[in-house]
Amino acid sequence: EAAVTQSPRNKVAVTGGKVTLSCNQTNNHNNMYWYRQDTGHGLRLIHYSYGAGSTEKGDIPDGYKASRPSQENFSLILELATPSQTSVYFCASGDAGDTQYFGPGTRLLVL
Amino acid sequence: GDKVKQSPSALSLQEGTNSALRCNFSIAATTVQWFLQNPRGSLINLFYLVPGTKENGRLKSAFDSKESYSTLHIRDAQLEDSGTYFCAAVPNTGYQNFYFGKGTSLTVIP
Repeated sequence: EAAVTQSPRNKVAVTGGKVTLSCNQTNNHNNMYWYRQDTGHGLRLIHYSYGAGSTEKGDIPDGYKASRPSQENFSLILELATPSQTSVYFCASGDAGDTQYFGPGTRLLVL
Repeated sequence: GDKVKQSPSALSLQEGTNSALRCNFSIAATTVQWFLQNPRGSLINLFYLVPGTKENGRLKSAFDSKESYSTLHIRDAQLEDSGTYFCAAVPNTGYQNFYFGKGTSLTVIP
C-alpha cells in the first residue's frame, strides 16, 4: 500500500503569516491531491497535480497555492493565512483509474 | 448543490445487526470510492468501484452508474466499525478529481 506522509502534523500560525504544508509519497503515483476537512462539509479539493511541475485548481483554491517540485513531493502554501483556513488538511496520492491513498492529516490553527 | 449526497447522516446500530449506507450522485460518475474515517481521524480505503459490486468480509458495496448511486452494506456490525463513512465519486470529465459526500457517522452499540 502507498505510503503518504505529511508534515507538520500540527501547526499553529498567526493571521497574515505564511504556512507551508508538505506531503511526500513513496509509491511513484502520478496524481497528488490536497483536501481540507471541515465539520459539515466533508472533504473538499483545494489543488491537485498530475505530475512533477503541474498544479491544477480544485473546488476551493482561493487563498492557497500548490507546488509539485518532484514526483514524490506536493506542498500546499498559504501565503497570508487567515482564521478561516483553520482546518484539517489531507494529502492523497493515486494513479488514474485507481484508488486514492491518504496521509494522516495536518491540523492547522490560525490565530 | 452537493454533487454527492450521503444518507443517512448519522446512524446507531446494535452490535451484530446489519445496515446499508447510500450515496446519490448528481454528476455522471465513472468510479466510486468508499472510506472509513476512524475515531483517530485516519482515512481507510474500503472499496474502489467501477459499476458493479465488491465484497470484503462483512462489507459489500455496489455502484450503479446508470441510476447514479452507490451503497455500502455492513453485515454483523462490530464495535470497530464505528466511525464516519465517506463516499467519493470521479466524474466522467476525464479529470481525476474526486467529489466527496459529507459522510455518515456510524456508532455501533454493544
